[in-house]
Amino acid sequence: EAGVTQFPSHSVIEKGQTVTLRCDPISGHDNLYWYRRVMGKEIKFLLHFVKESKQDESGMPNNRFLAERTGGTYSTLKVQPAELEDSGVYFCASSQLQTQGYTFGSGTRLTVV
Amino acid sequence: GDSVTQMEGPVTLSEEAFLTINCTYTATGYPSLFWYVQYPGEGLQLLLKATKADDKGSNKGFEATYRKETTSFHLEKGSVQVSDSAVYFCALSDPGTGGFKTIFGAGTRLFVKA
Repeated sequence: EAGVTQFPSHSVIEKGQTVTLRCDPISGHDNLYWYRRVMGKEIKFLLHFVKESKQDESGMPNNRFLAERTGGTYSTLKVQPAELEDSGVYFCASSQLQTQGYTFGSGTRLTVV
Repeated sequence: GDSVTQMEGPVTLSEEAFLTINCTYTATGYPSLFWYVQYPGEGLQLLLKATKADDKGSNKGFEATYRKETTSFHLEKGSVQVSDSAVYFCALSDPGTGGFKTIFGAGTRLFVKA
């Protein structure tokens, strides 16, 4: 089966610009998650979709971040306007059942300059 | 809140050496425990998991035992290979208290020399 796909793999943008990250989960996985790892620190939870609904968005750092999952398929994560501290690797993951663990995408490395 | 603490790296070993990466956790409920691995240039992969106390997860020669009495889930491998060089993340998920999110440790980078 195809894995979790994320793009772009890398993005370099200037402070104040907008960036949109995309994630295509494994087909049939209702659960989709966004995480990020900043400066080699812990991987931090951002939010969780079940199908098209936001189940938990407690990890979203502020209102500059907007996630959507139209039709319960792919998801986008928009950062607008980007700040320097948003630099890091953004991971998407999907799962069918929570206790099985996730399948992760390769991540998008975002650099804000 | 729930948390995961794992040994700082990097860990450098020679090929065929024994590997232990320590991981301890704090959780108010009964979490599932995981080890993920990230090879260079790739995304995280689930390496192994354990869902209850005394369970042993194993995969690719790696194993870890869920020890509730010591709140630990140490990763071990008897003989590492150069291809095991990667970053290893210990993680927990506690749906009873933490919802469906997973809490990760900071990661431990392993270098294996030929």
